Amino acid sequence: EVQLVESGGGLVQPGGSLRLSCAASGFTFSSHWMHWVRQTPGKGLVWVSRINSDGSGTSHADSVKGRFTISRDNAKNTLYLQMNSLRAEDTAVYYCVRGGKTVVDYWGQGTLVTVSS
Amino acid sequence: QSALTQPASVSGSPGQSITISCTGTSSDVGGYNYVSWYQQHPGKAPKLIISEVSNRPSGVSNRFSGSKSGNTASLTISGLQAEDEADYYCSSFTTSSTLVFGGGTKLTVL
Repeated sequence: EVQLVESGGGLVQPGGSLRLSCAASGFTFSSHWMHWVRQTPGKGLVWVSRINSDGSGTSHADSVKGRFTISRDNAKNTLYLQMNSLRAEDTAVYYCVRGGKTVVDYWGQGTLVTVSS
Repeated sequence: QSALTQPASVSGSPGQSITISCTGTSSDVGGYNYVSWYQQHPGKAPKLIISEVSNRPSGVSNRFSGSKSGNTASLTISGLQAEDEADYYCSSFTTSSTLVFGGGTKLTVL
């Protein structure tokens, strides 16, 4: 069974940093592209970042480019999202999502990030 | 990248069929057969129900079907059931090699 368990969310002040982690199990982690998708409470889904299977290629949404960095450790079956210079508008539930280049399939349960003073 | 356009809400009675539209541009929906649909119940993570416009993953009911014409994709749910009440999101691959989601549609089963 595919399992994706996010951690690292919490309350942070504007301008602060957080690192999210996602522990993967139940599939061959190193064979899959991985994504982060966020959802503002009560609102829609927004794609944030993706990384290819060996970590050599990444892409980020314009809204987070230069502030967020996606990475992975295939030896530890873990995906990361380093978030710097956080803004109030980054407040959301962040989902770790398995997928490929063109589609995402399995989602974790999400971790809430709240940016507020 | 602008979000894909979905109706905010749709409704139907048990047993009826409903269709949810998802409109994009030639840079996303119209340019690729990489439209997916997700179902999200309150407090839960999204679940993939349609990929590549019309493919159903294993275990997804055949009451769910997808199609596309030009820049608009559609999700049809036939034989509506109470358990279908949820939010539905479309997504598409884009020319920027990113993904874009729709704003979501709340389905109410009357």
